[in-house]
This record gives sequence, structure tokens and C-alpha cells, in this order.
Amino acid sequence: DQQVKQNSPSLSVQEGRISILNCDYTNSMFDYFLWYKKYPAEGPTFLISISSIKDKNEDGRFTVFLNKSAKHLSLHIVPSQPGDSAVYFCAASGRSSGSARQLTFGSGTQLTVLP
Amino acid sequence: DTGVSQNPRHKITKRGQNVTFRCDPISEHNRLYWYRQTLGQGPEFLTYFQNEAQLEKSRLLSDRFSAERPKGSFSTLEIQRTEQGDSAMYLCASSLVQNSYNEQFFGPGTRLTVL
Repeated sequence: DQQVKQNSPSLSVQEGRISILNCDYTNSMFDYFLWYKKYPAEGPTFLISISSIKDKNEDGRFTVFLNKSAKHLSLHIVPSQPGDSAVYFCAASGRSSGSARQLTFGSGTQLTVLP
Repeated sequence: DTGVSQNPRHKITKRGQNVTFRCDPISEHNRLYWYRQTLGQGPEFLTYFQNEAQLEKSRLLSDRFSAERPKGSFSTLEIQRTEQGDSAMYLCASSLVQNSYNEQFFGPGTRLTVL
């Protein structure tokens, strides 16, 4: 049972336009959500996070939106740059993770920003 | 370099052999996690240490897997009697207990191929 789902395996966007990556979750016990970016042959790199008590968090070109009632979050990248091309993972942690607070990841979305 | 390091980066072994991976976390981080990632999937939680104590294990961690963090610094993950299904990327991550967002910093991973 996938608790965190990224239903789009890939997304292509023109340079300078907005990239919107989506993520859905089923476990209402999740209280923190994170986005990671992963380049080939590297480990995931933390991008941005949001607490369940907020609905928006912004950091430079990256904004994460959280809709708790819909159990949906999205990552907006604007403007998109070719260097943003990578696999983006949505992750969640919460009280159901126990003391470990381990992250539960989605399956990732490959973003390609076309020059 | 003050990031998480993992060794070796690649390991090819024959079925039935034992393998051991090492992870060196960020020095002041007291939490250490092991994850496994297979093709097309996000990382999946295996086990977690707080300092030297192993506090949680996933059901994915069969009895052929053992992890240690003897002095609360580096950690090792050993797989005994490897099987082809063990082929995956093994990722290590570390974090601080005080980090309320549970932001975890990942190493580059060890790619295991079992022939």
C-alpha cells in the first residue's frame, strides 16, 4: 500500500516556464512533508519542506503548497532552468513513523527542462 | 567535505556471498538511517539508529541483514548470503534529533549488484 504517490513519472517543461510536480498521500498521521531532488549517481538532496500546520512555504524559485483536506501537495519551480532537470521525490514523516520519524517516499517524477 | 559518505560506491558480488557497506554521517548528527532504493521506486526505510542504539527496523530487513553503529559515529550494513533480489541502491542518511522537519541528509549510496 503506497502511502505517498507521485502519479506522473515524467514531466517536460520549457526553460523559463513553471514546473508543477504533484504528490498525494493517504496517511493522515503525516505531519511533515519534504521534497528531494536526485541527480544520477548521487543521493537525494533536500530541497524544501512544509509542516502540516502551514499551507505554503517558499524558498527562492521553489514553493511547496499543501492541501490537507485533499491530502495533496505540490512543488512549483519558477522559472524552470535546465539545471533543474532531475528526479524529484516527495517524502513524508509523521507520528505513525514512531520514534524513527523515517521518511516515506513517493516513486519520483523525472523533470526535464528543455532549453 | 562535511557531507554523508558511503563506501564502496559500487559492489558486485555473486549470489550467496556476504557484503558489508559503510556509512559515515555528518559528524554532529545523532540519527542515522539506512534506506534501499530499487529502479523506478523511491527510497524505502530499512533501519534507524539514535547514537549507537538501533531503535527501529523495517519488516523489509530480513534476518540476513544486520546493521551496527558501534560508537555512535559510522555505521555498517551487512548482508549475508546475498540473493539477486538484494540488488539495489543502499542509501544512508543522517539528521539531528532537534530538527523538527526531520530533514535528512543523504549520502551518494552504494549500488549492489548480485549476480
